[in-house]
Amino acid sequence: AQTVTQSQPEMSVQEAETVTLSCTYDTSESDYYLFWYKQPPSRQMILVIRQEAYKQQNATENRFSVNFQKAAKSFSLKISDSQLGDAAMYFCAYRSPSGSARQLTFGSGTQLTVLP
Amino acid sequence: NAGVMQNPRHLVRRRGQEARLRCSPMKGHSHVYWYRQLPEEGLKFMVYLQKENIIDESGMPKERFSAEFPKEGPSILRIQQVVRGDSAAYFCASSPGIQGIYIQYFGAGTRLSVL
Repeated sequence: AQTVTQSQPEMSVQEAETVTLSCTYDTSESDYYLFWYKQPPSRQMILVIRQEAYKQQNATENRFSVNFQKAAKSFSLKISDSQLGDAAMYFCAYRSPSGSARQLTFGSGTQLTVLP
Repeated sequence: NAGVMQNPRHLVRRRGQEARLRCSPMKGHSHVYWYRQLPEEGLKFMVYLQKENIIDESGMPKERFSAEFPKEGPSILRIQQVVRGDSAAYFCASSPGIQGIYIQYFGAGTRLSVL
């Protein structure tokens, strides 16, 4: 079974600075999908960014980018120019590519605080 | 273009009562997933359904929990004879079920409190 580990329960960053959230995973599959979801105080789960394992290029969405290291099974999220609205719990998630095991496996989350 | 709709947002039940949680997927989505989030934890998969079929229920407790996704109407997660340990946030997600379209979109969740 796949596992996802987020080793930083809490992180903080100054507004306008850059922060990196870590995520590692364990899998025997060669193809899969990785995601970062954000959960603000409203508790709504919001997709931040996604990465297909077969793509070598790191995904980027505006101020959010990932550092995907397939051999190391590492998938970190970088938030540039942090804003107060980025404060939330961030979850890393893994999904198998096909078959019946389509569910997401989540890490335990990193609580990000943005300091004004 | 409505997103995934869950209701109610908050549900309070006494021990021994039944809880029914509803999820209407995004328009055009035929796959539904239910997840449970205990306090201070990440989301844990419970069950994956397509219309009229349970595809994977490996994360669902064997007793008291059931789920359905009928041909017409929302998906329902049903918890019978609730206990305090069932208190959690329950999230529904949906996806189109089209090959290559794999993103799951989440509802706002239902927070169940068992007194």
